[in-house]
Amino acid sequence: NAGVTQTPKFRILKIGQSMTLQCTQDMNHNYMYWYRQDPGMGLKLIYYSVGAGITDKGEVPNGYNVSRSTTEDFPLRLELAAPSQTSVYFCASSYSASGRYNEQFFGPGTRLTVL
Amino acid sequence: KNEVEQSPQNLTAQEGEFITINCSYSVGISALHWLQQHPGGGIVSLFMLSSGKKKHGRLIATINIQEKHSSLHITASHPRDSAVYICAVGKSYSGAGSYQLTFGKGTKLSVIP
Repeated sequence: NAGVTQTPKFRILKIGQSMTLQCTQDMNHNYMYWYRQDPGMGLKLIYYSVGAGITDKGEVPNGYNVSRSTTEDFPLRLELAAPSQTSVYFCASSYSASGRYNEQFFGPGTRLTVL
Repeated sequence: KNEVEQSPQNLTAQEGEFITINCSYSVGISALHWLQQHPGGGIVSLFMLSSGKKKHGRLIATINIQEKHSSLHITASHPRDSAVYICAVGKSYSGAGSYQLTFGKGTKLSVIP
């Protein structure tokens, strides 16, 4: 199993450009998450999904969009990139059922710089 | 005040020392997670616990639900333990059927040979 994979690893964007961060997991996990990590701060939840077709906002959703058309994929879309979106982005997944929750598995991260 | 507070922020230890990292939280939780972030940036889950104590190799995690406090201990520390250790509290939201983590800022551990 590859686990959770993210592409790209690094990206530099100009202000106002758009891009999609890709996230794929091969563990048949139903829950998926997008986090951002800024220097000196804890990870913050951007969006999450509890299954295909179901997504919801986290703590810091402004400037981002997500979709979940399949169990495996959970892309994060940045529209009109701003310098405040410079960060390291992590995708994570976990399996939950019948009210029981499990540990999250993290992707390797995408380092994004907006200039 | 942050929901999750970790101490210390930075910790330097000599190889072989016993290490303790503390985590306090201020809300009701479903479980507490300890994660390790490697110098290269990757994050792995170490423990998920809702009561008592768990042990994996040289790592031990404990939680006191009444005091809203958890500790991560590393016995016989080694330079390869150098990493950032992150505490996170998990809460379930029955209406949304979701489970979300709130993270501490992390403790940077350096173990010197």
